[in-house]
Amino acid sequence: QQPVQSPQAVILREGEDAVINCSSSKALYSVHWYRQKHGEAPVFLMILLKGGEQKGHEKISASFNEKKQQSSLYLTASQLSYSGTYFCGTVTGANNLFFGTGTRLTVIP
Amino acid sequence: GAGVSQTPSNKVTEKGKYVELRCDPISGHTALYWYRQSLGQGPEFLIYFQGTGAADDSGLPNDRFFAVRPEGSVSTLKIQRTERGDSAVYLCASSRDRGDTQYFGPGTRLTVL
Repeated sequence: QQPVQSPQAVILREGEDAVINCSSSKALYSVHWYRQKHGEAPVFLMILLKGGEQKGHEKISASFNEKKQQSSLYLTASQLSYSGTYFCGTVTGANNLFFGTGTRLTVIP
Repeated sequence: GAGVSQTPSNKVTEKGKYVELRCDPISGHTALYWYRQSLGQGPEFLIYFQGTGAADDSGLPNDRFFAVRPEGSVSTLKIQRTERGDSAVYLCASSRDRGDTQYFGPGTRLTVL
């Protein structure tokens, strides 16, 4: 039930954009995005519910394609503080949150 | 408190010993979750409490793992006869209700020697 994330890692220069994808083999009720810095707890970014909505948080936004069982996280004009590992968590019928293996994002000056 | 707290932050034990990990959720949150995170992996679901009851313990790897939440607030994850493979960061999260945003604690890093 673990979702698949891509890419596994990405390196950006400050100001560049990135897209992180999350896909599931099961029908999704919601997708949750978190960012985790080394040695710290995952920090909630946003939740997307069924309906193909798009949400934004500062310069980070996400979309949810219910039919394709996919979600994408968009980071625009990246900042050094965006560095970390991004996890998507998917909720299927069991209502439990299953996390992907993460995408390690490194922003360099 | 302002957020989810977990104690201890680090625990080193010997193979075969018993350990208890504590989680104090955000006040008023009825749902509480335990996860295990190994290096380079995402958090792996272990067990979910709604109030005092374990509503879903399907993620517990075997019967050496047990968790309680007797008063619907603080929860304790108990691991018997620890094995080296149990070494990981154990994360606790809470949410206002099931399906709501989960807020994570800082985790307990368990090392079994």
